[in-house]
Amino acid sequence: DAGVIQSPRHEVTEMGQEVTLRCKPISGHNSLFWYRQTMMRGLELLIYFNNNVPIDDSGMPEDRFSAKMPNASFSTLKIQPSEPRDSAVYFCASSPPGTSGRNEQFFGPGTRLTVL
Amino acid sequence: GENVEQHPSTLSVQEGDSAVIKCTYSDSASNYFPWYKQELGKGPQLIIDIRSNVGEKKDQRIAVTLNKTAKHFSLHITETQPEDSAVYFCAASNQLTGGGNKLTFGTGTQLKVEL
Repeated sequence: DAGVIQSPRHEVTEMGQEVTLRCKPISGHNSLFWYRQTMMRGLELLIYFNNNVPIDDSGMPEDRFSAKMPNASFSTLKIQPSEPRDSAVYFCASSPPGTSGRNEQFFGPGTRLTVL
Repeated sequence: GENVEQHPSTLSVQEGDSAVIKCTYSDSASNYFPWYKQELGKGPQLIIDIRSNVGEKKDQRIAVTLNKTAKHFSLHITETQPEDSAVYFCAASNQLTGGGNKLTFGTGTQLKVEL
């Protein structure tokens, strides 16, 4: 089991540029979550999908942020245009169907984003 | 929505001592309370969880207690070791059938186990 895969692991970009973060959930998991972690705000849920459908995007900070899940094995989080205050570690997590009896969220290694 | 508060924000203990981290939640409908451990440079990892029909659960040196009436739950680590040093997060959720339910996390506790 490869676990949740995120790419890139590190991203440094300049203000105003578009940033795309990628996530591959664990095979067989049907829920996917995007989080942002900063010292000031802790671990914040941005959006989550269930069976590829966005369920709750109330945590998405602004219209500059968008997320897609075109299929069960891939999701993207896009920031356009990026700003210095978007600098953070972005985590993707996935969880199996509730009927499996497991509710654990499995986190990826994160993408450290720095916007200059 | 759910609000989870976690204390303390930092905790320093001597190796072999016990560590206790406490959380409170606001939504009485929450029924699932996991604890995650995050080591430096890694994503959080589940270490133990408890459901609302259980008051206490233990796994080796780690135990979690839940008081639904008071909306409190706590993590207890006994015989702490240096490798227990990490950031610990509590979380709460209203887990429905079918999965896909979001977790509300506490603000984290930086635990340092000193030799």
